[in-house]
Amino acid sequence: DAKTTQPPSMDCAEGRAANLPCNHSTISGNEYVYWYRQIHSQGPQYIIHGLKNNETNEMASLIITEDRKSSTLILPHATLRDTAVYYCIVLTSGNTGKLIFGQGTTLQVKP
Amino acid sequence: DSGVTQTPKHLITATGQRVTLRCSPRSGDLSVYWYQQSLDQGLQFLIQYYNGEERAKGNILERFSAQQFPDLHSELNLSSLELGDSALYFCASTEGTGDSNQPQHFGDGTRLSIL
Repeated sequence: DAKTTQPPSMDCAEGRAANLPCNHSTISGNEYVYWYRQIHSQGPQYIIHGLKNNETNEMASLIITEDRKSSTLILPHATLRDTAVYYCIVLTSGNTGKLIFGQGTTLQVKP
Repeated sequence: DSGVTQTPKHLITATGQRVTLRCSPRSGDLSVYWYQQSLDQGLQFLIQYYNGEERAKGNILERFSAQQFPDLHSELNLSSLELGDSALYFCASTEGTGDSNQPQHFGDGTRLSIL
């Protein structure tokens, strides 16, 4: 599975967009980019995933660069409840789906 | 609510003991994954079951074992417990065998404390 690199921490003002970057320069053509978050010690929460195209759902948007070597998770209007650790994970097709978590990015949303 | 249920939420026991953690996957999901989260190791994959059969193994200790029953619920058994086994244990489920286009959905975990 491709390794990912994320900044250890970021701050965001409440109501503003939070843009969380992820570098996955060794990603292969059949590998998906997944984003999960973990609020305090709760179970990780699935946010969004994508292969090549940009994706949007009710929680966030995922922007994947054309060369697929990096991506950005966008929370359009961050709230205090979005304070969490955000994990970017690259998943290979056919590898049973086990998730390999890195250290993630701790996002602090401030009033 | 992810639809994945884990019991108990908290478990306190002593070294040398044995415990069983239980997970009920989302309705319709056939795969169950177990993960361990300790302070020094982060979130680590332990084992996966699909429709009753073991499908993948991660860094799971020999003192730990798991199984998935015909009703698809799963149990993680931890024996000869050590202080270092204190951690959060999460269960996740997904519909298929782990196709990379299917997200996993996590339960709220069991917090295990070894005294």
